[in-house]
Amino acid sequence: DAKTTQPNSMESNEEEPVHLPCNHSTISGTDYIHWYRQLPSQGPEYVIHGLTSNVNNRMASLAIAEDRKSSTLILHRATLRDAAVYYCILRDGQNNNAGNMLTFGGGTRLMVKP
Amino acid sequence: KAGVTQTPRYLIKTRGQQVTLSCSPISGHRSVSWYQQTPGQGLQFLFEYFSETQRNKGNFPGRFSGRQFSNSRSEMNVSTLELGDSALYLCASSPWTGDTGELFFGEGSRLTVL
Repeated sequence: DAKTTQPNSMESNEEEPVHLPCNHSTISGTDYIHWYRQLPSQGPEYVIHGLTSNVNNRMASLAIAEDRKSSTLILHRATLRDAAVYYCILRDGQNNNAGNMLTFGGGTRLMVKP
Repeated sequence: KAGVTQTPRYLIKTRGQQVTLSCSPISGHRSVSWYQQTPGQGLQFLFEYFSETQRNKGNFPGRFSGRQFSNSRSEMNVSTLELGDSALYLCASSPWTGDTGELFFGEGSRLTVL
């Protein structure tokens, strides 16, 4: 399976934008890039996903490099509630055998300062 | 719409005992997958059930088992508990399997083995 690499931790100030990077140099053409986050004492929650084009939703934006070897999750205005571990995960859109098995890496722990 | 419900939320067992954890998926969801989260190993996939059939199994010993009922509710069982089984056990549900849709996680069952 293609793997992802993320920084262990990042720090941000409240109400400032945050750019969380993810490297996936061995990504295949059918791999979707998914982001989940895990708030303290909670299960992971879905944030956003994309294949090739940049994506926006109410929570965040996903910027995907043209060669797809990296991506960036963008939180436009960080709040204290965004302090969490953010996971970048690849899911093969053509491998039905993988089912709903997600391979989590270590993620990036985002700390937000007031 | 009710989210994924896991019971019990907390439990303490002793080595050698067995434990059963329950997961009620979101109504209409047919896929239930289980994950183990520990400080050392992070989030690891245990198994997935879809329409009462196990679709995939992670790299865990046979002491870990599960099943899914006709109403999509799922249980996982760990027999002959070891200290290393202390973890947060997370359940995730999804309407389907093998696509790239989001998974909805519960808050988990925290198991402590003494």
